[in-house]
Amino acid sequence: AQRVTQPEKLLSVFKGAPVELKCNYSYSGSPELFWYVQYSRQRLQLLLRHISRESIKGFTADLNKGETSFHLKKPFAQEEDSAMYYCALSAYTGRRALTFGSGTRLQVQP
Amino acid sequence: GAGVSQSPRYKVTKRGQDVALRCDPISGHVSLYWYRQALGQGPEFLTYFNYEAQQDKSGLPNDRFSAERPEGSISTLTIQRTEQRDSAMYRCASSLGPEDVGGYTFGSGTRLTVV
Repeated sequence: AQRVTQPEKLLSVFKGAPVELKCNYSYSGSPELFWYVQYSRQRLQLLLRHISRESIKGFTADLNKGETSFHLKKPFAQEEDSAMYYCALSAYTGRRALTFGSGTRLQVQP
Repeated sequence: GAGVSQSPRYKVTKRGQDVALRCDPISGHVSLYWYRQALGQGPEFLTYFNYEAQQDKSGLPNDRFSAERPEGSISTLTIQRTEQRDSAMYRCASSLGPEDVGGYTFGSGTRLTVV
C-alpha cells in the first residue's frame, strides 16, 4: 500500500528566505507525485506534478527515487505563499486515486 | 459548470439521521472522486467513478456510506445513521478521465457536523 509522509505540520519562514517542504513516500512501484495547495478560504488546487517538470509560482519539486522523496522548494518565499500544502501520490497499478499526506502549513512572515 | 460544485456547504445533523451530500462535476469530466478530510489530516480517499460506474469503493469506511452517480454527472454521497465520528470535511473532485490521475479540480467541500 502507498503512503505519503509530510513530517512538518508547520513551517515558518521570513519573506525572502528559502523554503523546503518535505515529502517522503513509500510505494513499491513507480509512482506519480503531486503537490496541492490550499490558500485561505480557497479550494484545494493542483500546484505541480513531477512528470511536468515545471516551475509554478517559483516552486519546483524533484522526484528522488533513491530517497523516495518529492520535496517542494522555492528560493525566495513571498507572503502570498502562506497556505496549506499537501503532497500526494498516485500508483500506476491498483488504486488509481491519490493518496495524500497530512499537510504542512507554510507561514511566511514579513 | 465552470467548476466543481458541492452542496450544501455546511451541514449540521443529529446523530442517527441520514445525510446526502451532492457533487456536480465540471461538465465533460469523466472521473469523479470523493474524499473525506478530518481536522489536521490530509484528504482520505473514499470512492471514485468513471462515468456512472463506481470503479473503487474500497475507501468507504463501512456500509453506512454509499455513493452513486446514476447518469454519469452529478454524484451523491449518502451517510446513513450518522455518528459523531463522521464529522469531517467531505471533498469532491473531478478530472477529465482515468488517464488524468492527479489532475483533479476540487469543489469547496461540505463541512459535516454530527451532534
